[in-house]
Amino acid sequence: AQSVTQLGSHVSVSEGALVLLRCNYSSSVPPYLFWYVQYPNQGLQLLLKYTTGATLVKGINGFEAEFKKSETSFHLTKPSAHMSDAAEYFCAVSEGGGSNYQLIWGAGTKLIIKP
Amino acid sequence: SAVISQKPSRDICQRGTSLTIQCQVDSQVTMMFWYRQQPGQSLTLIATANQGSEATYESGFVIDKFPISRPNLTFSTLTVSNMSPEDSSIYLCSVVFSGLGQPQHFGDGTRLSIL
Repeated sequence: AQSVTQLGSHVSVSEGALVLLRCNYSSSVPPYLFWYVQYPNQGLQLLLKYTTGATLVKGINGFEAEFKKSETSFHLTKPSAHMSDAAEYFCAVSEGGGSNYQLIWGAGTKLIIKP
Repeated sequence: SAVISQKPSRDICQRGTSLTIQCQVDSQVTMMFWYRQQPGQSLTLIATANQGSEATYESGFVIDKFPISRPNLTFSTLTVSNMSPEDSSIYLCSVVFSGLGQPQHFGDGTRLSIL
């Protein structure tokens, strides 16, 4: 069965420091991978996605993620954290071959930015 | 990008009553989903809203408790019936446009509290 594991329910970094949020998945077929962000009292916003092609994908707000098939990982990074990055981040993988558009969701990681 | 409007944004309801949540998109979509997000948790898929036919429910969710309609390609409703305090959650509508690898796009959610 497919699954998504996000390491760390809470990650705390200082403002200006590197942000690294980890996501590992299991999938028997080539996956489509997504990162979403949820700010307080809001819905989820797509940060970036990997479907095919270049394994390093760039998203909004300076975030990027690298698909590493050998490690079954899709970690999210940002070189320099801003206070506005404080939010909940969710990693998701397409179910099956993606034909039904359903997603398998990670448990989420709350990013805390220290001033 | 598409505008997804979800109403109401929040509500406080009495035990035993029902509430209908609306999801309106400003363009036609292929798929519409309804999720529940309990406090501090990840997303749980309630059902896929099928246009012109009965919704497809996930394990643990039933039509009598969560009736769903989708009369056309831009609109869906979710009703939470006979509510109890355990139904206090965020309810989220998501949509997908056609094409493999397309992400889900979310409304801002409905924050529901049951007294």
